Amino acid sequence: GAGVSQSPRYKVTKRGQDVALRCDPISGHVSLYWYRQALGQGPEFLTYFNYEAQQDKSGLPNDRFSAERPEGSISTLTIQRTEQRDSAMYRCASSLVPQRGGPDTQYFGPGTRLTVL
Amino acid sequence: AQTVTQSQPEMSVQEAETVTLSCTYDTSESDYYLFWYKQPPSRQMILVIRQEAYKQQNATENRFSVNFQKAAKSFSLKISDSQLGDAAMYFCAYRSVNSMYSGGGADGLTFGKGTHLIIQP
Repeated sequence: GAGVSQSPRYKVTKRGQDVALRCDPISGHVSLYWYRQALGQGPEFLTYFNYEAQQDKSGLPNDRFSAERPEGSISTLTIQRTEQRDSAMYRCASSLVPQRGGPDTQYFGPGTRLTVL
Repeated sequence: AQTVTQSQPEMSVQEAETVTLSCTYDTSESDYYLFWYKQPPSRQMILVIRQEAYKQQNATENRFSVNFQKAAKSFSLKISDSQLGDAAMYFCAYRSVNSMYSGGGADGLTFGKGTHLIIQP
């Protein structure tokens, strides 16, 4: 596609429910990143993939958070047993090459606004 | 771990004037990359400019330029001839080169808290 897309754009859920957030990267982009952005803050790194392999998940807050990218394209971030503190904008980004720590530009999607009641 | 500090929560500038947004960072690494991203009211994240730490020359992109002071660990963004469309949150970001020394999250970007730029017509 023309850019990184994310769905849904808005998600309202009740505390204790599971949610799945989807990211579709730019076609041909190898690396995919997940970030969380609280209101009034900069994005916070969660995890990333090169192809289908999860390279680093040290930013995931706890074991309720998981991510997968089974075919090296679309990725899903899953939050189990959601809590109110999980409310935030969840952003996905992709970049062209799997260069660890390189300058390759990350292109961001529009984000999913998650609200946990 | 690296930290990025943006000490100006909000800045205001008259249209057509020049404004400078400050950013400092803390790192023990010698090679890294620095970025400025713009987040307009639409909440998109748009890359404005990037700088490789090994390059002494400051990066420029049309009306946007940086003042990169490696020894001072400072990376300010200058916007010349400010336009109404420049109104946005601006985030400074850091990325490690060698993830071996950076611990977890090395390949993700580390962002500052942002500066809200207001353009006065």
